[in-house]
Amino acid sequence: GQQLNQSPQSMFIQEGEDVSMNCTSSSIFNTWLWYKQDPGEGPVLLIALYKAGELTSNGRLTAQFGITRKDSFLNISASIPSDVGIYFCAGPVLKGNTDKLIFGTGTRLQVFP
Amino acid sequence: NAGVTQTPKFRILKIGQSMTLQCTQDMNHNYMYWYRQDPGMGLKLIYYSVGAGITDKGEVPNGYNVSRSTTEDFPLRLELAAPSQTSVYFCASSPWTEGTQYFGPGTRLLVL
Repeated sequence: GQQLNQSPQSMFIQEGEDVSMNCTSSSIFNTWLWYKQDPGEGPVLLIALYKAGELTSNGRLTAQFGITRKDSFLNISASIPSDVGIYFCAGPVLKGNTDKLIFGTGTRLQVFP
Repeated sequence: NAGVTQTPKFRILKIGQSMTLQCTQDMNHNYMYWYRQDPGMGLKLIYYSVGAGITDKGEVPNGYNVSRSTTEDFPLRLELAAPSQTSVYFCASSPWTEGTQYFGPGTRLLVL
């Protein structure tokens, strides 16, 4: 079945550094979603992308919908300690009559002061 | 709005016991979902519902059952708990099929 591959699996960076992560698929997606999961919490939506080539920002976060529609990128600028968590990409897959989200395995971010 | 709420937050079960994980949303969303997240992994869809009275299987439904008698509630039932069901369970809801999903805080289940 379809799956989303995220890289890197984990990152250990210093406060103030910029972060880049990506998500790739062998299939085309019409929507890309980026979620963040804080330790012990449920995922929270950060950015939603709906069009190939789209570039969308949310504060220090910027995400892009790849031109091929098979990938997406998330950048975090000037990281701070509260950026720690797991970042998941997700995309809807049509199964039966309903779209269902599939999630990548996540990129774990650790920020050191 | 409270959003999506889940109870309990944490539970320990013995093998063979049963329990129901509760999920409630107050956003009047039609679509609701149950996921499990194993350590170091992403989320896998167990069951979903497109509206009251309508449920369907996701990727990993074995060992679970659901019901959706109201728009607000979507309980997940484990009939015979097994160690393989040790996981964190998340409930989510969305306003439409392609809509972004809103997640609850999760229920941590340990089966011994």
